[in-house]
Amino acid sequence: AQTVTQSQPEMSVQEAETVTLSCTYDTSESDYYLFWYKQPPSRQMILVIRQEAYKQQNATENRFSVNFQKAAKSFSLKISDSQLGDAAMYFCAYRRTRSNDMRFGAGTRLTVKP
Amino acid sequence: DVKVTQSSRYLVKRTGEKVFLECVQDMDHENMFWYRQDPGLGLRLIYFSYDVKMKEKGDIPEGYSVSREKKERFSLILESASTNQTSMYLCASRTDRGHTDTQYFGPGTRLTVL
Repeated sequence: AQTVTQSQPEMSVQEAETVTLSCTYDTSESDYYLFWYKQPPSRQMILVIRQEAYKQQNATENRFSVNFQKAAKSFSLKISDSQLGDAAMYFCAYRRTRSNDMRFGAGTRLTVKP
Repeated sequence: DVKVTQSSRYLVKRTGEKVFLECVQDMDHENMFWYRQDPGLGLRLIYFSYDVKMKEKGDIPEGYSVSREKKERFSLILESASTNQTSMYLCASRTDRGHTDTQYFGPGTRLTVL
């Protein structure tokens, strides 16, 4: 079974600084998707960024970028120029292509200090 | 914008009660999901549905059932609530059309069983 591991239960970053959240996953598949979701306090979970495994280029969305290392099965999220609104739980997730089964990590709680 | 709504943000029930959690999405998505979210465990899939009246068990279906009579609505039923079902319940939907693989989440229902 596929598993997703987030080894950092909590992280903190100073406003305007950069932080990297770690995620590793275990799979024998070659075709899959990886996601980072953000869940702000008492608010809806939203997609931050997604990566297709067949693409070698790392995905970026404004201040958010990933470091996708397929051989190492690593998918870290880098947040640049951190803002107070980035404070949230961040979940890494994996889904095999053509499957409805999405696997989530345990989450990393990010605190942003002013 | 996709909108996924859940009938209640907070719910308090007593042990043994039958509980209904309702989820509605407005984007004609084929797939709908129910997760429970617990600290340190991330999100775990309870059930999902890929079409009206179709359902599949997820990782933790015991003690739950689901109903999907209409495409836009997916209900989670706790036949006889127990204290270990106290949790945050998240509904999500996703389409197989196009190239988007994003799951859209509802705001969640925090259920407390006394």
